[in-house]
Amino acid sequence: KNQVEQSPQSLIILEGKNCTLQCNYTVSPFSNLRWYKQDTGRGPVSLTIMTFSENTKSNGRYTATLDADTKQSSLHITASQLSDSASYICVVSAWGDNNNDMRFGAGTRLTVKP
Amino acid sequence: ETGVTQSPTHLIKTRGQQVTLRCSSQSGHNTVSWYQQALGQGPQFIFQYYREEENGRGNFPPRFSGLQFPNYSSELNVNALELDDSALYLCASSSRTRGDQETQYFGPGTRLLVL
Repeated sequence: KNQVEQSPQSLIILEGKNCTLQCNYTVSPFSNLRWYKQDTGRGPVSLTIMTFSENTKSNGRYTATLDADTKQSSLHITASQLSDSASYICVVSAWGDNNNDMRFGAGTRLTVKP
Repeated sequence: ETGVTQSPTHLIKTRGQQVTLRCSSQSGHNTVSWYQQALGQGPQFIFQYYREEENGRGNFPPRFSGLQFPNYSSELNVNALELDDSALYLCASSSRTRGDQETQYFGPGTRLLVL
């Protein structure tokens, strides 16, 4: 069973609307959680990173929240644009001193339609 | 653009063949990680190289091997290719620090198709 579960698997919204993507994890001990945006056929690009002590982080129209007690995170996209169409991947790191303990979710495929 | 480049962009091989994928890391980065991403799935960690030595490995067989060079560029080698090796192969570079919030910068990936 994957230690990082994302929902929904896919989502279609109209341009200008808001949406929220979910990420639940069981990774322990928790170190940090990142959200990446991956355009089709491209590598993922980092949007936000949060540690245990942070419960919200914004990057433009993207706002990530973290509840370390319930092991849940969300990524809220405001006033969606066509260019937001992509996969959004939640990545959770277990405690360690390097990046080889990262657990990737399967991603949520977002489609923004005009 | 992240400054991480990969070559080739696409590749077609047949079962049993060998393949070498290449990655140039972002300037100043000394760590390279390789991932395999099947269609519709999240990336799966293959291994990581730090200063030319393997520094962690995921659940991949020994026919997946790698190298990191003094300039911190890297190669991923896959021997005896199987159909299930068809995937997008991503490399990510980062700079190890004492903290654990180092951001990985991903390359565009190499799309491998095994026939």
